[in-house]
Amino acid sequence: AQSVSQHNHHVILSEAASLELGCNYSYGGTVNLFWYVQYPGQHLQLLLKYFSGDPLVKGIKGFEAEFIKSKFSFNLRKPSVQWSDTAEYFCAVNARTGGFKTIFGAGTRLFVKA
Amino acid sequence: DAMVIQNPRYQVTQFGKPVTLSCSQTLNHNVMYWYQQKSSQAPKLLFHYYDKDFNNEADTPDNFQSRRPNTSFCFLDIRSPGLGDAAMYLCATSSGSTYEQYFGPGTRLTVT
Repeated sequence: AQSVSQHNHHVILSEAASLELGCNYSYGGTVNLFWYVQYPGQHLQLLLKYFSGDPLVKGIKGFEAEFIKSKFSFNLRKPSVQWSDTAEYFCAVNARTGGFKTIFGAGTRLFVKA
Repeated sequence: DAMVIQNPRYQVTQFGKPVTLSCSQTLNHNVMYWYQQKSSQAPKLLFHYYDKDFNNEADTPDNFQSRRPNTSFCFLDIRSPGLGDAAMYLCATSSGSTYEQYFGPGTRLTVT
């Protein structure tokens, strides 16, 4: 069965620190990859996505993610976090042969200290 | 603004008493999803509709059913809620040509 693993459940950083959140998935076929973010009191929203092409994807608010096919990974990065990045981040994977089903990771709660 | 709306935001029901959660969208998307999310866990897909085609996940309990009377609305019916069904229920939509999902704010269900 497909699964998505996020390595860190909780991350605490100071402002201006660099961020990398790990995501690995288990599926050997072609995939669509997503990072979603949930800010406090708000609903889940798309941060960035990868369908094909350049494996380095840029999203909103200075976030980027790199798809490494050989490692089944899609790690999220940001060079310098801000207090407003405090949120929960979810990695999600859709197997193209699986129709619209998307599997989510358990999420990483990021707290950025001002 | 186009959006996904869920009502109510908070729902309290008694053990065994049927409950219905609703979701509506103004995005005119073909696909609508229902997820269950328990504390500190991943959102778990219960089922989804592609237009009127219903797709049930194999491990979704029979206690959970869904209706989609038209493009805009989708309902989640829990026939006999148990204590284990207390969770956040998320509705999402996507167009038929992309897989990125737009989420509603969720309904937090409490079972007493």
